[in-house]
Amino acid sequence: KAGVTQTPRYLIKTRGQQVTLSCSPISGHRSVSWYQQTPGQGLQFLFEYFSETQRNKGNFPGRFSGRQFSNSRSEMNVSTLELGDSALYLCASSLGIFNRQQNTEAFFGQGTRLTVV
Amino acid sequence: KNQVEQSPQSLIILEGKNCTLQCNYTVSPFSNLRWYKQDTGRGPVSLTIMTFSENTKSNGRYTATLDADTKQSSLHITASQLSDSASYICVVRADRGSTLGRLYFGRGTQLTVWP
Repeated sequence: KAGVTQTPRYLIKTRGQQVTLSCSPISGHRSVSWYQQTPGQGLQFLFEYFSETQRNKGNFPGRFSGRQFSNSRSEMNVSTLELGDSALYLCASSLGIFNRQQNTEAFFGQGTRLTVV
Repeated sequence: KNQVEQSPQSLIILEGKNCTLQCNYTVSPFSNLRWYKQDTGRGPVSLTIMTFSENTKSNGRYTATLDADTKQSSLHITASQLSDSASYICVVRADRGSTLGRLYFGRGTQLTVWP
């Protein structure tokens, strides 16, 4: 059974550009959640999608957005990139809504390393 | 304010030695607590999950303990191996109310095992 696949693995962008990251969940999983990880802040929750609808959202500016397709694949978009957006972006796949359902387990992808210069 | 604090921030031990990582939380009401292992350049992988009624849970050489009264958890690694070098992240889930199911992440402990 294939795991969670994130593409691309590495990305370098300049300030002001926008970027789109992709996440393919484990087959049968309907929920995808996104996280930003930096050395200073650790893991921070961005948002979670279940059945193509955003179910939860963290405390990030509107420049961070996402969507989920009918096949459960998800994309995350960051517009007007800032230097502080440099981070590892992780997505996690789960059967239920990971950030709401107590007994749901999430499986993380390897992440996309975004560097903004 | 709901928070999760991990200590130490980083730790270096010799191969074969034991170590203990700490996680203190103020999340309330408490639902469960997870420990994750994250290898460099990889996503986190779940090691254990503990609920209010569980005091100890083992996964191979990893043993997690939970004291829900003092809101403390520890992860004990026995007979460390080079492959244990990783970041260990504590994640606490809130129970009911407006924070139902919400997750709170610690910043992790970076463990390095030297030969």
